[in-house]
Amino acid sequence: GAGVSQSPSNKVTEKGKDVELRCDPISGHTALYWYRQRLGQGLEFLIYFQGNSAPDKSGLPSDRFSAERTGESVSTLTIQRTQQEDSAVYLCASSLKWSRGGTNTQYFGPGTRLTVL
Amino acid sequence: GQQLNQSPQSMFIQEGEDVSMNCTSSSIFNTWLWYKQEPGEGPVLLIALYKAGELTSNGRLTAQFGITRKDSFLNISASIPSDVGIYFCAGQPYTSGTYKYIFGTGTRLKVLA
Repeated sequence: GAGVSQSPSNKVTEKGKDVELRCDPISGHTALYWYRQRLGQGLEFLIYFQGNSAPDKSGLPSDRFSAERTGESVSTLTIQRTQQEDSAVYLCASSLKWSRGGTNTQYFGPGTRLTVL
Repeated sequence: GQQLNQSPQSMFIQEGEDVSMNCTSSSIFNTWLWYKQEPGEGPVLLIALYKAGELTSNGRLTAQFGITRKDSFLNISASIPSDVGIYFCAGQPYTSGTYKYIFGTGTRLKVLA
């Protein structure tokens, strides 16, 4: 597709359930980033991928959060045993490369709004 | 998580006025990006800066990469109602081993017609 897409656009779940969020980056983009945005707040870095490997997972809040990427394309962010504090918009971005300079410009998807009841 | 200092937090201005906002960091950044986010949407890239001192324009928007590499500003000239939104700066720290981005807390802009 022309841009970054994410699914689902909205997800309502019960506390304790697992959820999977999906990101389809721009075709040919080798770098992929996940962010969390709480209501009225800025973007909080979670993890980024260079190809299929994740050299920086420092933003993942707890071991309930994990992410994987396959085929240098689709990525899934999984949250296990969801808590109410996990409620937020989860944004995905991709860039052509992960190196410094013009090829690292990020383009964002519309986000997945997660509500944990 | 780590965030940049972005100011002001919010602005209420009259249509036609100029706007200025900035981001500062305690550490050196390689890249500065400025985004605009509207309700229910992901951030949209406005301007990207890659070199210290670089000054770049995009229509009524102008942004600069600070000489010290620790700050950046965004100016909007002759604001119009559709400029309403949240503006975020994002920087890529000069740190080996990671290419992550740090985001500012946002400047909420409201334009009064």
